[in-house]
Amino acid sequence: DVQLVESGGGLVQPGGTVKLSCIGSGFTFRTYSMNWVRQAPGKGLEWVSYISSTSSTKNYADSVEGRFTVSRDNAMNSLYLQMNSLRDEDTAIYYCARGVGYSYLLTWGQGILVTVSS
Amino acid sequence: SYVLTQPPSVSVAPGQTARITCGGNNIGSTSVHWYQQKPGQAPVLVVYDDSDRPSGIPERFSGSNSGDTATLTISRVEVGDEADYHCQVWDRSHPCVFGGGTKLTVL
Repeated sequence: DVQLVESGGGLVQPGGTVKLSCIGSGFTFRTYSMNWVRQAPGKGLEWVSYISSTSSTKNYADSVEGRFTVSRDNAMNSLYLQMNSLRDEDTAIYYCARGVGYSYLLTWGQGILVTVSS
Repeated sequence: SYVLTQPPSVSVAPGQTARITCGGNNIGSTSVHWYQQKPGQAPVLVVYDDSDRPSGIPERFSGSNSGDTATLTISRVEVGDEADYHCQVWDRSHPCVFGGGTKLTVL
């Protein structure tokens, strides 16, 4: 079965940092683009970041540009999101999602909660 | 930035047809994708490229897209279809965008 499992969330103070990880299994990780999508409590989905299969292309939402960095290690079937200068409004469940190019998100992880609060 | 507009809620009786719309400027010129999200769970892709269904998604789920409106249609609605539904687009002109989501209530 295709599976994505996120880890690394938790409570962090405003201005702090956290690094999320996502491990994929059941598919050829290195051939798929990957994304991070977040959902604030009681709100809709917000795309955060995209990384191509070879890491040659990375894109970010305006709301996180310059603060978040996406990366991947295809040898480890892993996706990462380094989150710096965190703000209250970054509080959300963060999902990693397997993408089909610049198109749809085929498979989602179960999500990991990041809470930014003092 | 590109904006997708969905109604906050749609209600339907079991066995009837639910139609959830997603409005956007000339949305018919791009591909629209739909996700189902049940409470406490991750989203699941139910329709991609306007009207295609991933493996395992019932034929009761269908989609269309023309002009300024895309529509997700759920036929013979079941209690288990109660969920939030999100539309999404992505092309070279604008990054990945989601609609605000529609809560489907099965009365």
